[in-house]
Amino acid sequence: KQEVTQIPAALSVPEGENLVLNCSFTDSAIYNLQWFRQDPGKGLTSLLLIQSSQREQTSGRLNASLDKSSGRSTLYIAASQPGDSATYLCAADHGSGNTGKLIFGQGTTLQVKP
Amino acid sequence: DTEVTQTPKHLVMGMTNKKSLKCEQHMGHRAMYWYKQKAKKPPELMFVYSYEKLSINESVPSRFSPECPNSSLLNLHLHALQPEDSALYLCASSRDYNEQFFGPGTRLTVL
Repeated sequence: KQEVTQIPAALSVPEGENLVLNCSFTDSAIYNLQWFRQDPGKGLTSLLLIQSSQREQTSGRLNASLDKSSGRSTLYIAASQPGDSATYLCAADHGSGNTGKLIFGQGTTLQVKP
Repeated sequence: DTEVTQTPKHLVMGMTNKKSLKCEQHMGHRAMYWYKQKAKKPPELMFVYSYEKLSINESVPSRFSPECPNSSLLNLHLHALQPEDSALYLCASSRDYNEQFFGPGTRLTVL
C-alpha cells in the first residue's frame, strides 16, 4: 500500500532564500509524481508532474526531482518570495499501475517572510 | 479553456436535503475525479470516471452518488448527509491518467 510522507509539516524562511521541500513514498513502482500548491480555502494548483521515467522537471523558479530507487522526491524553490507562501502537496499514484488514483502527503505549509 | 469550474462555491444543507455539486471542464480530458478534503488534511479520492464510466469508487457511502452525463460534466448528488460530511469537495480532470487539474472546490456545510 502506497504511503506518502512530507517533512517538515511547516517551514518559515526569509524572502530570497532557496529552499527544498521533501516528499517520500513507500512503493517505488510509481507511474508518476505530482507537486501541487494550495492556498487557504482554495483548490489545488498543479506545479510539476514527473513521469516515472524522468529524473526532474523545471518550471520557472521551481525544480522537482524524482529518485524512485530511494523513494524520494524534492521540490526546490529558488529565490523565495512572500507570494510563495502556501501549502505544498506531493502526490504519487498508488503504485499498482496507472489508474489516476493519487495518494497525497500531508503537505508542507510554507511561510516566506518579507 | 484551461480550467475546471465547480458550482456552487458554497453550499449549506440540512441532513434531509437533496443537493448536487457540478463540475465542468472543456479541455478534452477523459478522466474526471471527485475528492473530499477536510480542514488541514490532504484531499482523499472518492470517485474516478474514465470515458464517462465509473472506474474507481473508494468505498464511498451511498449517500454520495456520482454521475457523468458527458465527457465535460461531472455531478455529485448528495442525499441524507451527516454533519461529518462537511468538507471542501474538489473536482479534477486529466488527459488519460496523467497530470490532474483541480477546480476551486465547493465548500459544503451540513447542518
